Amino acid sequence: DVKVTQSSRYLVKRTGEKVFLECVQDMDHENMFWYRQDPGLGLRLIYFSYDVKMKEKGDIPEGYSVSREKKERFSLILESASTNQTSMYLCASSLNLAGYEQYFGPGTRLTVT
Amino acid sequence: AQSVTQLGSHVSVSEGALVLLRCNYSSSVPPYLFWYVQYPNQGLQLLLKYTSAATLVKGINDFEAEFKKSETSFHLTKPSAHMSDAAEYFCAVSEDFNKFYFGSGTKLNVKP
Repeated sequence: DVKVTQSSRYLVKRTGEKVFLECVQDMDHENMFWYRQDPGLGLRLIYFSYDVKMKEKGDIPEGYSVSREKKERFSLILESASTNQTSMYLCASSLNLAGYEQYFGPGTRLTVT
Repeated sequence: AQSVTQLGSHVSVSEGALVLLRCNYSSSVPPYLFWYVQYPNQGLQLLLKYTSAATLVKGINDFEAEFKKSETSFHLTKPSAHMSDAAEYFCAVSEDFNKFYFGSGTKLNVKP
């Protein structure tokens, strides 16, 4: 069974802290994605990676960075957390095949106080 | 860039009634189309997808969707709503290997 796991379901951090969100997939997928989800805005792409050490900016990369040192792991980093980064963060993965669906993790609800 | 429009951020139906959730996309070429469901505090699960085979696509839990090229639509339907269908539904479009565009979501409420 396909599995995408995220390191935390709920996280509370203080303004200015460095925050790491981890995502691991066990399907040998080439592509991995980080989205944030806010009410009424749907899913917005932060970054994606199509191979180890490769990354591309999505629609809202400001304030975020990513790391992909191994194929199965994709990390999202908030360099200095701010209250406007309070959100639900979803990780997804997919094969590098046209028409192939994305598989999602359970999400991390991050609150920055 | 693609845009995906889901008409109605909230839809309410009675148990046993028809479910219709609307999705329109902006692509000028036939894209790949998906419907996902999200239960509270969970990630998204794939309901069904269209990849240029049959225009009527059947998914899990008796959901189906019809691709209509002339209307650039991919509406999701279910003949008879169940209480367990209460969730948020997202339509998504993809034109290539790694770019997905999601609608803003429709929350489905099912009344007893």
